[in-house]
Amino acid sequence: SQTIHQWPATLVQPVGSPLSLECTVEGTSNPNLYWYRQAAGRGLQLLFYSVGIGQISSEVPQNLSASRPQDRQFILSSKKLLLSDSGFYLCAWRRGNEQFFGPGTRLTVL
Amino acid sequence: DQQVKQNSPSLSVQEGRISILNCDYTNSMFDYFLWYKKYPAEGPTFLISISSIKDKNEDGRFTVFLNKSAKHLSLHIVPSQPGDSAVYFCAASDWSNYQLIWGAGTKLIIKP
Repeated sequence: SQTIHQWPATLVQPVGSPLSLECTVEGTSNPNLYWYRQAAGRGLQLLFYSVGIGQISSEVPQNLSASRPQDRQFILSSKKLLLSDSGFYLCAWRRGNEQFFGPGTRLTVL
Repeated sequence: DQQVKQNSPSLSVQEGRISILNCDYTNSMFDYFLWYKKYPAEGPTFLISISSIKDKNEDGRFTVFLNKSAKHLSLHIVPSQPGDSAVYFCAASDWSNYQLIWGAGTKLIIKP
């Protein structure tokens, strides 16, 4: 069966510090992978998606970036965090018509 | 431009009664619709879906209705239970762009 992992579960970072969130998928190959953010009281905002190794599409211009160094690994990064980067970050993969989500990372930027 | 809209930010329903969550879309090319349920601090979980060639899909207490002419779908939960309290997201597939298009969510509160 397929599983998706995200870490860390929670993170508190100062403004201006770097960020690296990791997502890995098990039990499938060449999945479409997605990074979403949910700000407090808001819906899901698609940040990046990837259809293969090294292939990244950005949906929203911002100070975040994504990389896919391996088939089942998707990384969300920032060189300098802003207060507005606080939120709940979700990784997902696609199977057929459905997306399946990881447990999420709660990021607080102070 | 919101292609998928959930106009009710929240909904409060008595336990045991029917919960009806609504969703509207603008793009007639969408061919598959999904409902997800989300608890705080967790990822959304898939609940139920419907293809555009159908007008109803049922799974236990959950039924999704699709009205293509009105570009409207709804999720019915009968009977509502306390564990149903969560945020419900409607989504439409736009796989030509490798994406699901999401509504803003409706927070459902089941009152005892």
